[in-house]
Amino acid sequence: HMTQSPSSLSASVGDRVTITCRSSQAITTFVNWYQQKPGKAPKLLIYAASKLESGVPSRFSGSGSEIDFTLTISSLQLEDFATYYCQQSYSTPPWTFGQGTRVELK
Amino acid sequence: QLQLQEAGPGLVRPSETLSLICAVSGVSADSIRSSSYYWGWIRQSPGQGLEWIANIYHNGYTYYNPSLRSRLTISIDTSKRQFSLTLTSVTAADTAMYYCGRHRITEGRNYPGEIDYWGQGTLVTVSS
Repeated sequence: HMTQSPSSLSASVGDRVTITCRSSQAITTFVNWYQQKPGKAPKLLIYAASKLESGVPSRFSGSGSEIDFTLTISSLQLEDFATYYCQQSYSTPPWTFGQGTRVELK
Repeated sequence: QLQLQEAGPGLVRPSETLSLICAVSGVSADSIRSSSYYWGWIRQSPGQGLEWIANIYHNGYTYYNPSLRSRLTISIDTSKRQFSLTLTSVTAADTAMYYCGRHRITEGRNYPGEIDYWGQGTLVTVSS
């Protein structure tokens, strides 16, 4: 089970944004992060906790291991206003997602 | 490089069976036969989060969400470059956007990992 926080946040362009996920068990670094915009499929941003997916801007970064994981956007851009989900892909199913964090314009 | 396209009925009556197909196309479509990927289904109820449903490997090996297992079947036809999902005895709780996706496999382990390609989704409504 993945507990994601906050469920929503308000931020301005240029802000540093941090979203966290906590696992109910140790899962090494098998955590992925996705961005979803309204009416669109999710998009992979970060895999294996800290690896940046090809083509994703470097302002996105991930960190953490075992229980606690973080997605950071170093300088929020207009196109980053969206909902973000963590997902664990450790060992046996179900491979659960966090509840999502909606990033809104302040 | 790779496109995934879901096809479904749109509207399903309660207690009936939902059948979905995901067609894989593009330059990398032969990856459906590759040992480097799983293929799977994710759904999202209106205004809600994401729920993993099931995965299948090119050889037919499957993983199912335990909460749905008794009603699910996932299958693959690599010659047609498609995979399918059936969900029996649907209720209103199964109303959702259904996405298909390609899951990468981390080297050294054989579980579905991150989803690098997604379909655009197909909306399924369960209603009489």
